[in-house]
Amino acid sequence: AQSVTQLGSHVSVSEGALVLLRCNYSSSVPPYLFWYVQYPNQGLQLLLKYTSAATLVKGINGFEAEFKKSETSFHLTKPSAHMSDAAEYFCAVTFSGAGSYQLTFGKGTKLSVIP
Amino acid sequence: DSGVTQTPKHLITATGQRVTLRCSPRSGDLSVYWYQQSLDQGLQFLIQYYNGEERAKGNILERFSAQQFPDLHSELNLSSLELGDSALYFCASSPRRQGRVYGYTFGSGTRLTVV
Repeated sequence: AQSVTQLGSHVSVSEGALVLLRCNYSSSVPPYLFWYVQYPNQGLQLLLKYTSAATLVKGINGFEAEFKKSETSFHLTKPSAHMSDAAEYFCAVTFSGAGSYQLTFGKGTKLSVIP
Repeated sequence: DSGVTQTPKHLITATGQRVTLRCSPRSGDLSVYWYQQSLDQGLQFLIQYYNGEERAKGNILERFSAQQFPDLHSELNLSSLELGDSALYFCASSPRRQGRVYGYTFGSGTRLTVV
């Protein structure tokens, strides 16, 4: 069965510092991977997605993620944190097998940005 | 605005009652997914409809049911409500049956409080 593990339920970084949010997946078939962001009292907004094309995926708001099959990882990074990045981030996976329709989400990582 | 409309935004009801949550997918999207977000369980997939037909079922309780109408809007019916049903309920839509390539667009959610 597919699953996603996000390491760290809460991450704090200083403004201007590197943001690194970790995501590891488990899937017996090629995965499709997504990062979503949720601001307080709002829905989920797609940051970026990996769909078996380039392994380095660039998303919105300066975020990017690299798919590493050997490490079964899809970590999210941003070179310089901004106060507006404070939110909760979710990694999600689906896969390419038949009957694969829904996303399976990780538990989320809440990012705090310290001025 | 993501294009996915959920109503109502907030709902407070008593235990044992029945409520209906409504979702209008993004224009042109045929698939609708329902998710439940709670503090202890995270984001859990409930059910998917594609062009009026049920396509996938997740952790949906027997007290819960859903349908998708000819105009593609969907309703999630929750009955015999319990305190533990208090959660954020999200609807997402995608253009095709399998959202992995085209992406999933989320609404802003309905916050259900059972008292």
